[in-house]
Amino acid sequence: AQTVTQSQPEMSVQEAETVTLSCTYDTSESDYYLFWYKQPPSRQMILVIRQEAYKQQNATENRFSVNFQKAAKSFSLKISDSQLGDAAMYFCAYRSEITDKLIFGTGTRLQVFP
Amino acid sequence: EAQVTQNPRYLITVTGKKLTVTCSQNMNHEYMSWYRQDPGLGLRQIYYSMNVEVTDKGDVPEGYKVSRKEKRNFPLILESPSPNQTSLYFCASSQRGRGNTIYFGEGSWLTVV
Repeated sequence: AQTVTQSQPEMSVQEAETVTLSCTYDTSESDYYLFWYKQPPSRQMILVIRQEAYKQQNATENRFSVNFQKAAKSFSLKISDSQLGDAAMYFCAYRSEITDKLIFGTGTRLQVFP
Repeated sequence: EAQVTQNPRYLITVTGKKLTVTCSQNMNHEYMSWYRQDPGLGLRQIYYSMNVEVTDKGDVPEGYKVSRKEKRNFPLILESPSPNQTSLYFCASSQRGRGNTIYFGEGSWLTVV
């Protein structure tokens, strides 16, 4: 069975600085997708970025980028030029190629200080 | 506008009183799923459905039922709610295929007393 681990329950960053959130996963599948979701206080689930396992190039979306290390099964999220609006819970997620099931980590709460 | 609609958004109920949380999507998605979110545990899948009349258990199905009689609807049924089912519930839908965007409802806060 697949698992997703986020080992940082909480992180903090100063406005305009860069922060990296860690995520590791375990799977025996060869092709899959990985995601980062943001959950602000409203509890809405917002897709931040996605990465397909067979693509070696790391995905980027404006200030958000990932460091995808397939062999190490690591998928970290880097937020550059952090803004107050980035404060939220961030979930790493894995989508199975066999079941379409989306498996979440336990989340990292990010605080952004002015 | 593409959306997943859940109702009710907030509910306080008593132990043992059957309730249904409805979920409807307007995107003709085959795949639908229910998750519960609890502090420190992330989102855990309760049930999912690959298409009409096709449903399967997720990681935490005990105490829940689902049905998929129409493509757009995927209700979550708590036959006899208990306090340990107090949680935030999310419905989600997408086209089949791992890279397709998964759309989430706004969540339903359920408290069982």
